[in-house]
Amino acid sequence: EAGVVQSPRYKIIEKKQPVAFWCNPISGHNTLYWYRQNLGQGPELLIRYENEEAVDDSQLPKDRFSAERLKGVDSTLKIQPAELGDSAVYLCASSARLNYGYTFGSGTRLTVV
Amino acid sequence: AQKITQTQPGMFVQEKEAVTLDCTYDTSDPSYGLFWYKQPSSGEMIFLIYQGSYDQQNATEGRYSLNFQKARKSANLVISASQLGDSAMYFCAMRGVGGAQKLVFGQGTRLTINP
Repeated sequence: EAGVVQSPRYKIIEKKQPVAFWCNPISGHNTLYWYRQNLGQGPELLIRYENEEAVDDSQLPKDRFSAERLKGVDSTLKIQPAELGDSAVYLCASSARLNYGYTFGSGTRLTVV
Repeated sequence: AQKITQTQPGMFVQEKEAVTLDCTYDTSDPSYGLFWYKQPSSGEMIFLIYQGSYDQQNATEGRYSLNFQKARKSANLVISASQLGDSAMYFCAMRGVGGAQKLVFGQGTRLTINP
């Protein structure tokens, strides 16, 4: 079984440029999460999807961040425009609705210069 | 609100020794789950062990065990016979019930195993 797939693995962009991250969850997992992990800290939730519906986006900076999960499968997280403080690892995770387990992708390490 | 506290920023242990990583939590939910994850330098989050709040016995998975003390709200991870490959960041996390299914993470502990 393939795990949670994220791309790109690394991204370096200049400030004010847009950037997008892609996540393909485990097949059959209804719930998808995007987390941001700043250097030396634990991950923090940005947004949670149940199928195609965003059910918790209270921590998403909506002035510059957007996300979508079309058809309830793949998801894209976008930042426009990026700021220096957005440099972090962006982790995607998925879980089955009635399952205790969460599976994380390898993350996208974003560096904004 | 749920909160996880890991008070050890770094730990240094000799190979083959046992190590305990501390985790305390705070929640008002009567039912919750506690997780430990390992994050090596490559960045992926690797699930290690899970403890449900109503589980009567402490969880064990190979060399990992969870010392769950509900009254003290602690969920320490014990790694027996440490190996060089255990060097990594370790995160304690908690999940609540119902709609609050997100994982809340602690700040992590960086474990270094010395040969």
